[in-house]
Amino acid sequence: EPEVTQTPSHQVTQMGQEVILRCVPISNHLYFYWYRQILGQKVEFLVSFYNNEISEKSEIFDDQFSVERPDGSNFTLKIRSTKLEDSAMYFCASNADRAGIYEQYFGPGTRLTVT
Amino acid sequence: GEDVEQSLFLSVREGDSSVINCTYTDSSSTYLYWYKQEPGAGLQLLTYIFSNMDMKQDQRLTVLLNKKDKHLSLRIADTQTGDSAIYFCAESMDSSASKIIFGSGTRLSIRP
Repeated sequence: EPEVTQTPSHQVTQMGQEVILRCVPISNHLYFYWYRQILGQKVEFLVSFYNNEISEKSEIFDDQFSVERPDGSNFTLKIRSTKLEDSAMYFCASNADRAGIYEQYFGPGTRLTVT
Repeated sequence: GEDVEQSLFLSVREGDSSVINCTYTDSSSTYLYWYKQEPGAGLQLLTYIFSNMDMKQDQRLTVLLNKKDKHLSLRIADTQTGDSAIYFCAESMDSSASKIIFGSGTRLSIRP
């Protein structure tokens, strides 16, 4: 069964450093998302992406964040200058463009630890 | 604004039914979901229901929706130890690009 994959599974970085989290969505999906889950808290929406542009972003997704689909398979989240409060599990998700079927499939997540 | 609320913990005996409840605030929500998260793992879509439905059954899972009260429940029949996980209630609007709004999650633990 096709699945969303994410790398790395765990990333440790120092405050102020740039990180890139990578995702490979399911191959025939057209809508892509990033969410994050701070330990013990809700899963929060960050950004949605379709047709090579951002569809919607949350308040969390400020100028320090960017997303890119550099080729036909990868979808990346970049944090330019990480802060301690960026430590969280980051989930990528994708969704097929099938009328009436809105199932978002999530990857296993990347645990980001900022020290 | 959009909000989804769930109780944080539920403990049931193995073999009994588990019922996890959820309330949501946005009456324009079109899709309501239940996701399962096992320790250290991602979010697994268990089932979803359209807002024009009252009930959906899928093997051991039964979802009930009371749209008037904005109340959603997930019943797991014959609960097994493998059902131990955090269960997230979630909602989204009627759009392929719509974000999903998650509840805080209910941690289900199973007693022998």
